[in-house]
Amino acid sequence: DFQMTQSPSSLSASVGDRVTITCRASQGISNYLAWYQQKPGKVPELLIYSASTLQSGVPSRFSGSGSGTDFTLTISSLQPADVATYYCQKYNNAPLTFGGGTKVEIK
Amino acid sequence: EVQLVESGGGVIQPGGSLRLSCAASGFTFSSYPMSWVRQAPGEGLVWVAALSRGRIYYADSVKGRFTISRDNSKDTLYLQMNSLRVEDTAVYYCAKEGQLGYFPHWGQGTLVTVSS
Repeated sequence: DFQMTQSPSSLSASVGDRVTITCRASQGISNYLAWYQQKPGKVPELLIYSASTLQSGVPSRFSGSGSGTDFTLTISSLQPADVATYYCQKYNNAPLTFGGGTKVEIK
Repeated sequence: EVQLVESGGGVIQPGGSLRLSCAASGFTFSSYPMSWVRQAPGEGLVWVAALSRGRIYYADSVKGRFTISRDNSKDTLYLQMNSLRVEDTAVYYCAKEGQLGYFPHWGQGTLVTVSS
């Protein structure tokens, strides 16, 4: 089975900190990788697609990088509005697998 | 503005059937691949099924039990769920794909509870 492994599963950081979340694919997926943010009780929202392209309207403190099997989502300066769970998703082919999620909290 | 509105969720006994609908507006529905994604209470996102350019794909966990379909004349996506199990309990989202398979647009979701 194809796996998308995110780490860490949760983190706590201070406002203004740089936060990095990693996502590893069990097989190479080129740059067919998206990141989503889901705030508590809300619908997921697309942050980044093609591993590094910021979706329109997403703050520039979010960035993505990687290719092949290893990817990262970086928040350059954590804000209270960023409290959420973040998911990666591969979409090179079916199944369109999501990672297990990373819960981000403010310390 | 893209809008996706799911309906059809509810409480159903194990072994029962349910059909979810997703009414789409604000875009040319027939031109876009669509998917269903679910989220069990307190858990992560799980892709369920996709209807993409005439081809259909399912997650292994629902293959043979769920059927995805669409009616382009009604701008509506469906998910027929048969032989439901307790572990199918989740909020079910319909999602419109972007150019390549990611999801820029999501509905608000409909809750399916499988319980005796």
